[in-house]
Amino acid sequence: NAGVTQTPKFQVLKTGQSMTLQCAQDMNHNSMYWYRQDPGMGLRLIYYSASEGTTDKGEVPNGYNVSRLNKREFSLRLESAAPSQTSVYFCASSEKPGLGGTQYFGPGTRLLVL
Amino acid sequence: AQSVTQPDIHITVSEGASLELRCNYSYGATPYLFWYVQSPGQGLQLLLKYFSGDTLVQGIKGFEAEFKRSQSSFNLRKPSVHWSDAAEYFCAVAPNNAGNMLTFGGGTRLMVKP
Repeated sequence: NAGVTQTPKFQVLKTGQSMTLQCAQDMNHNSMYWYRQDPGMGLRLIYYSASEGTTDKGEVPNGYNVSRLNKREFSLRLESAAPSQTSVYFCASSEKPGLGGTQYFGPGTRLLVL
Repeated sequence: AQSVTQPDIHITVSEGASLELRCNYSYGATPYLFWYVQSPGQGLQLLLKYFSGDTLVQGIKGFEAEFKRSQSSFNLRKPSVHWSDAAEYFCAVAPNNAGNMLTFGGGTRLMVKP
């Protein structure tokens, strides 16, 4: 049981390049989330998927798109990367909507945009 | 909108000393409350959570937290700190009627002196 896995672990992009961050969970959770973590700001929610087939914007969605490919997988896409998107990205999942979000986190993806 | 404040950015304690990390939230009703820990280079791990009931909650690794409604606080405590507790600690809240959207505080980095 791997929990929440993320790929890649590290990535360097040039401004304007695109990339997709992958996330998968094997806990049969309904809800999945993407956060970014910046120094001194804690984690901020980018997008979430309450259940398979639905996605919603979080606090900082601009510049990102998401796809809930199936119940296990939730990807985050940067269409045209900007230096302001340099951050650590965390994927998380939770079992049941409506129970206050006991979320389980992946190990993170460190992204540097030059 | 809800918000979470962790007033202490850095805290240093001696090994064996007691610890208290502060967390204050702003929210109209009693939210769900969480403490997460992040070790260097790792994802977040849930320490404990409060939904309702007894206001003193026990978590993993010997941590506990007390919900004080009158002070809008949810402070984390440990009676005797171990060197392995050095990490960053995040307080988070979620609405009790809207499922899974967590709002995180900025984090407190704990250093432990030998």
